[in-house]
Amino acid sequence: DTEVTQTPKHLVMGMTNKKSLKCEQHMGHRAMYWYKQKAKKPPELMFVYSYEKLSINESVPSRFSPECPNSSLLNLHLHALQPEDSALYLCASSQVLGNEQFFGPGTRLTVL
Amino acid sequence: GESVGLHLPTLSVQEGDNSIINCAYSNSASDYFIWYKQESGKGPQFIIDIRSNMDKRQGQRVTVLLNKTVKHLSLQIAATQPGDSAVYFCAEKNSGYSTLTFGKGTMLLVSP
Repeated sequence: DTEVTQTPKHLVMGMTNKKSLKCEQHMGHRAMYWYKQKAKKPPELMFVYSYEKLSINESVPSRFSPECPNSSLLNLHLHALQPEDSALYLCASSQVLGNEQFFGPGTRLTVL
Repeated sequence: GESVGLHLPTLSVQEGDNSIINCAYSNSASDYFIWYKQESGKGPQFIIDIRSNMDKRQGQRVTVLLNKTVKHLSLQIAATQPGDSAVYFCAEKNSGYSTLTFGKGTMLLVSP
């Protein structure tokens, strides 16, 4: 299996909802990443996990909460989001930190 | 031709032409560079990478050139096809860090 999968593909949520984004890879990669991408902009790094431990948090608001239950899974828990958080959320993985990253297809999030 | 403005820089070419997409990077300490292709509604797809100890690397129909003197990276696509239409991002990694910094992106439009 040589891909990163993300679910759901699309998500619409209200500002009071709690939802989660999921990411999975079975390439044996030990680094996983969450990015946020607005239209016509490059991906912006949010979080990095290395060997299931949070390695980098790019000053992301606490309404975004990452979780890495095991080496294959990465979640992003969402709570009390704002309309400006609407974006494409991308997950990526790499063999270890610093190697080339492989991206999933993303979750298109709309916050109403 | 190429246009830069409030929108994503765009390069328009005819099918069969060779395309050159440019990227200027700012950090002279960057030692690893990647080109990604992102089609509409999809995540970025790895195309080719190059390390700073090289100045040229070739793949299938693609060539990446690195000029460290002027901090410039380019992606050459031979015999461009309509399926090459996408946004292309360069990304750089600083030798002291483990994460990628993405460039602004260039949209490539290929007319049949």
